Amino acid sequence: KQEVTQIPAALSVPEGENLVLNCSFTDSAIYNLQWFRQDHGKGLTSLLLIQSSQREQTSGRLNASLDKSSGRSTLYIAASQPGDSATYLCAVRPSNNDMRFGAGTRLTVKP
Amino acid sequence: GAVVSQHPSRVICKSGTSVKIECRSLDFQATTMFWYRQFPKQSLMLMATSNEGSKATYEQGVEKDKFLINHASLTLSTLTVTSAHPEDSSFYICSARPAGRTTEAFFGQGTRLTVV
Repeated sequence: KQEVTQIPAALSVPEGENLVLNCSFTDSAIYNLQWFRQDHGKGLTSLLLIQSSQREQTSGRLNASLDKSSGRSTLYIAASQPGDSATYLCAVRPSNNDMRFGAGTRLTVKP
Repeated sequence: GAVVSQHPSRVICKSGTSVKIECRSLDFQATTMFWYRQFPKQSLMLMATSNEGSKATYEQGVEKDKFLINHASLTLSTLTVTSAHPEDSSFYICSARPAGRTTEAFFGQGTRLTVV
C-alpha cells in the first residue's frame, strides 16, 4: 500500500528565506505527483503537477522535483513571503483511481 | 476552467439527522468523483470513488450505509451523512476528474461539518 510521508510536519522561517519541503512515497509506481496548498479550514489549491515521466515543474517562485526511483519529491519555495503561510500537501496517484496524501507541512513565514 | 463547486461550505447539524453535501463540476463533465475526509492536522483520507451511473466504491473501513454517495449525472455527486454523530464532525472534500483526462482531478473547497 502506498504511503506518503512529509517532512517536516511544521516549519517556521523568516520572510525572504528560501525553503524546501520534502515528500517521500513508498511505491515508485505512480502516475503523477501533485503539490497542493491548503489554507486553514479551506479547500485545496493545486500548485504543481508532475507527471511520472517528468523530473520537475516550475511556477513562479515554486519549483517541484520528482525522483521516482528514490520515491522522493521536493517543493522549493524561493524568497518566501508571509502570504505563503499555509499547509502544503503532497499527493501521489498510485493508480488511475485515487490519490494518496501526505499529512502535510504547516509553513509559517514570519514578517 | 476546471472549477469544482462544493456546497455547503459549513454546516452544523444535530445528532441523528442527515446532511447532504453537493459536489458540482461547473465547466466540465466528470465521469469520476472522489470524496475525502480530513480530521484536524491529519491528511486527507479517501472515503469513496464514484463513477457516474454506477455504485460508489468505498474504501476499507468506510460505512457505505452511513455515507451515501450518489453520482447521478456527469456534473453532480452528493454525499449524505446519515444519522450523524459528533464523531462524524470533520472536513469533507470532493474532487472531480474530467472525462477523458485520467491524470488530473480538481478539488472543491470543502465542507466543514459539525455535529452537535
